[in-house]
Amino acid sequence: DTAVSQTPKYLVTQMGNDKSIKCEQNLGHDTMYWYKQDSKKFLKIMFSYNNKELIINETVPNRFSPKSPDKAHLNLHINSLELGDSAVYFCASSYKQGPDTQYFGPGTRLTVL
Amino acid sequence: AQKVTQAQTEISVVEKEDVTLDCVYETRDTTYYLFWYKQPPSGELVFLIRRNSFDEQNEISGRYSWNFQKSTSSFNFTITASQVVDSAVYFCALSQNSGYSTLTFGKGTMLLVSP
Repeated sequence: DTAVSQTPKYLVTQMGNDKSIKCEQNLGHDTMYWYKQDSKKFLKIMFSYNNKELIINETVPNRFSPKSPDKAHLNLHINSLELGDSAVYFCASSYKQGPDTQYFGPGTRLTVL
Repeated sequence: AQKVTQAQTEISVVEKEDVTLDCVYETRDTTYYLFWYKQPPSGELVFLIRRNSFDEQNEISGRYSWNFQKSTSSFNFTITASQVVDSAVYFCALSQNSGYSTLTFGKGTMLLVSP
């Protein structure tokens, strides 16, 4: 019973392509997040959604577009991929907005060639 | 602005040694929350503990213990009698107590426990 799941786990693609990463949580949480972990392991928030509504967008290039069809799902679409987009992307969820504990998915390792 | 500093980039110990991972934070908020997460070599992020700024009691969970000191803005993590399975990157994180808050992570400390 995976609480927060992401697909795919690995994604290798060419520069300029468009790709999506999917995230689903079965915890009944209201809030979901996308984080980026760079090659030095630094974790940074990208987006946060509460009940399908975007509440945080941390100056991420507009090639990145999150979409939340319902509060259990938060997908990340990336257009025109660049070498610098190579990273591990983590989805997370929490019961509500605010300083609630965030539970993370397994991560998606994106490699742009 | 919030900041979390984990000054130790890498720590190497031999099994059964005790080890302390340091975490120092900066925030202007009077109410905030502190967290520790573990990232083993398999890559997932595992939640370990959440502590609010009003609760300065130390916490112990098995071989793990946490020391929260507001006076020094520190939230240190100690593993007693370390084991090889403790090898991982450990992240300290901070969250404000507001509706739009999220986690600010430190850069992590890589712990390597050798047999």
